[in-house]
Amino acid sequence: SQQGEEDPQALSIQEGENATMNCSYKTSINNLQWYRQNSGRGLVHLILIRSNEREKHSGRLRVTLDTSKKSSSLLITASRAADTASYFCATDDQAGTALIFGKGTTLSVSS
Amino acid sequence: EAEVAQSPRYKITEKSQAVAFWCDPISGHATLYWYRQILGQGPELLVQFQDESVVDDSQLPKDRFSAERLKGVDSTLKIQPAELGDSAMYLCASSGRGVHEQYFGPGTRLTVT
Repeated sequence: SQQGEEDPQALSIQEGENATMNCSYKTSINNLQWYRQNSGRGLVHLILIRSNEREKHSGRLRVTLDTSKKSSSLLITASRAADTASYFCATDDQAGTALIFGKGTTLSVSS
Repeated sequence: EAEVAQSPRYKITEKSQAVAFWCDPISGHATLYWYRQILGQGPELLVQFQDESVVDDSQLPKDRFSAERLKGVDSTLKIQPAELGDSAMYLCASSGRGVHEQYFGPGTRLTVT
């Protein structure tokens, strides 16, 4: 079963614009991660935010977490064509080991 | 940079045939995961190993799927017999002991005809 649900399902922007995608989940978590998947490839870990953190930055990425609303957002600033990919949020399962992924947001950045 | 290796990258098989996928995790990673990803969906866990032991295989269809990690290093996932609904991407991932981030291989794209 999938815990996270990303929104929107698809997003198209121009290079240089910011992209924001959201993730909602159902049960309490220890941490939340975001992964990127280029077409037909494996997933790449982007960033992890712990349940006691509210915001985290990594390069052009900014992640927020609101545990009261059970939601997270991923902001990519100054997007590039190379950012074109699917983005997934993932939360830990009840045992705190495996990941439960959402359905993903497909981002298209055109030059 | 160390990577998770998977083979084959692509596999086409006929319904009712047997198929096997191989994964070699990053050296030293104790935890190994097999996920199945249907087109347009996120990955779903099939089985998780800690060293050579199965930690979670609750979502593995055990009537046709089997997985092993005999020496706690590389792993094999087998499907016998394959069904049309098994067409998907099969992803292997590994993580270090006590580490939450997972490192994924390139996946095996299975098509069952």
